[in-house]
This record gives sequence, C-alpha cells and structure tokens, in this order.
Amino acid sequence: EAGVTQFPSHSVIEKGQTVTLRCDPISGHDNLYWYRRVMGKEIKFLLHFVKESKQDESGMPNNRFLAERTGGTYSTLKVQPAELEDSGVYFCASSQEGPRVEETQYFGPGTRLLVL
Amino acid sequence: AQKVTQAQTEISVVEKEDVTLDCVYETRDTTYYLFWYKQPPSGELVFLIRRNSFDEQNEISGRYSWNFQKSTSSFNFTITASQVVDSAVYFCALKGNYGQNFVFGPGTRLSVLP
Repeated sequence: EAGVTQFPSHSVIEKGQTVTLRCDPISGHDNLYWYRRVMGKEIKFLLHFVKESKQDESGMPNNRFLAERTGGTYSTLKVQPAELEDSGVYFCASSQEGPRVEETQYFGPGTRLLVL
Repeated sequence: AQKVTQAQTEISVVEKEDVTLDCVYETRDTTYYLFWYKQPPSGELVFLIRRNSFDEQNEISGRYSWNFQKSTSSFNFTITASQVVDSAVYFCALKGNYGQNFVFGPGTRLSVLP
C-alpha cells in the first residue's frame, strides 16, 4: 500500500512568488493534515481536513496560506505571496476515517521550501 | 496548554551502545495519546509507537523499548545495541482527547557512529 506522498520534494522560490504544494494521502484516509517545521523550531499543526471539509484551520499562520481538498482526495497548500519566514519543511499526514482521536497519523516525506 | 519537551538536542553513541531518548509532556487532559516518530535522512516521519494514557504497560519491540511513567509525565524511548541505521531525528508527540492534531517535541538528533 502506498504511503502519503508529497510533491514537490523541494522548492526554491523568490520572495513574493507563489508556490503550491500537493499531498496525496493514503487511499481511503478521510483525515488529512498539514504541518510545517520552520527552521530550528517544532513541527506545528496548520490544518485538518475531513474529506473535503476543513475541520480545524487554527494553525494557519495568515491569509497568505490557502489549503484546498476538492473531492476529498488530494490536497494543495498554496502560499501567495511567499515571504522569507515561510521557509521550512511542510509535512502532510493522513489517518483513517472516523472521529477516533487516538487514530495514528501517517506522514509524508515533506516538501522543503526555501524562500529567497 | 499542551507541551512536549525533548531536552536532548543531539546524542552521539558508538554502535552497539544502548541509548535512551527522553520525552516529558504536559497536558490537562485526563485521556491523551503519546507517539514516537523517526525521521531518517530521507525526510519522512516514520511512525514507531502509540501509547494511550490509560495503559501504562511498557512495550518492547525488538531493540526498541518504551517506558511510560504517568507519575513523572515521561515517555522515554530506549534503543538497545544501537546500529548505524538508527541514526535519525526522533520526535515525541502528544495528542489530547479533544483534538486531532499533534503537539510535537523539538526532536532529538541521534547519531550512531560505526
């Protein structure tokens, strides 16, 4: 069974440009999460989808970040316009359907974003 | 507020040594869940273990073992007879009873030298 995949693996852009990150969850997983690790800091939650609906977006830093999950399958995270402080690793995770809080989240390899 | 502390930023050991990675957590939830993930050089976060707060039984899986102590709010991870392939960053994480998102510790970078 394929794990969580993310594209691209790396992205280098200039300040002010737009970048779109993609996440494909494990097949059948309704829950999809975005996290990021800014340089030298903890991995921080960004948002959580249940199918195509945003369940919790309390971690989104500002309105330059837009996440979508049309059709409840893959998700995209767009940063527009990118700023220097957005540099870091963006992780996606998925877990099985259902409201069980203890459900294990499986993570993708991350996208390394560098804003110059 | 929930918090996870991993006081060891980096650890270096020689192959075949045992090593313990510390994790201390804070939460007001009476039911919560603790996790360990491994991040090898390839970058992905690999799930290692989940422990429920109501189950304090320690667990052993091959060379890995976990010691959960509610009295000290700790969930330490021990690797016995370490190998070079164990070199990675290890994250401890906490999930409360009312939220689906994790609170991660800062990670401990383990280097196992041949």
